[in-house]
Amino acid sequence: KQEVTQIPAALSVPEGENLVLNCSFTDSAIYNLQWFRQDPGKGLTSLLLIQSSQREQTSGRLNASLDKSSGRSTLYIAASQPGDSATYLCAVEGMNGNKLVFGAGTILRVKS
Amino acid sequence: DAGITQSPRHKVTETGTPVTLRCHQTENHRYMYWYRQDPGHGLRLIHYSYGVKDTDKGEVSDGYSVSRSKTEDFLLTLESATSSQTSVYFCAIRAPGQGNEQFFGPGTRLTVL
Repeated sequence: KQEVTQIPAALSVPEGENLVLNCSFTDSAIYNLQWFRQDPGKGLTSLLLIQSSQREQTSGRLNASLDKSSGRSTLYIAASQPGDSATYLCAVEGMNGNKLVFGAGTILRVKS
Repeated sequence: DAGITQSPRHKVTETGTPVTLRCHQTENHRYMYWYRQDPGHGLRLIHYSYGVKDTDKGEVSDGYSVSRSKTEDFLLTLESATSSQTSVYFCAIRAPGQGNEQFFGPGTRLTVL
């Protein structure tokens, strides 16, 4: 059974700092990995999707990498801003199904 | 915007009553999903659909049923609501043309008293 772990569970940083969020998964037979953002009381917003054949994806100040063999992904946020404060979730889709398995998320607070 | 709406957005009901939540999409995606989100448990899959009248169970399907009679609508029914079903419910679609990226609706907050 696939398990997804996110570390740290919470992170507080000053504005302007570069930061890394970590995601690990136990079964490397994945089709893709997706990073989401969730603001309090809101739905999930898709940030980046990395297919299993890819190593990284970039969108603006966000860069996500994938090392399938070691079961790890990182989300790098450059020059963090207070508006980046949210919960960040990673999820993987296995090769043998059409379902996402989610991590518990990292709660990020960027202080001004 | 993936064109996903959920109704109602908030609902308070009593134990033992039936409840139906609706998810509507505008882009004719084949796959639709229902998740629940609870503190300490994260997002968990309840049921999903891979076409009209084609559905399958997820991780936490007990006490829930689903129906999909049209491509655009996916209904989640709690036959007899219990307090343990108090949660936030999210609907999602899967976009095969975008690497199977999933997009989520705004959620329904359900309280069972």
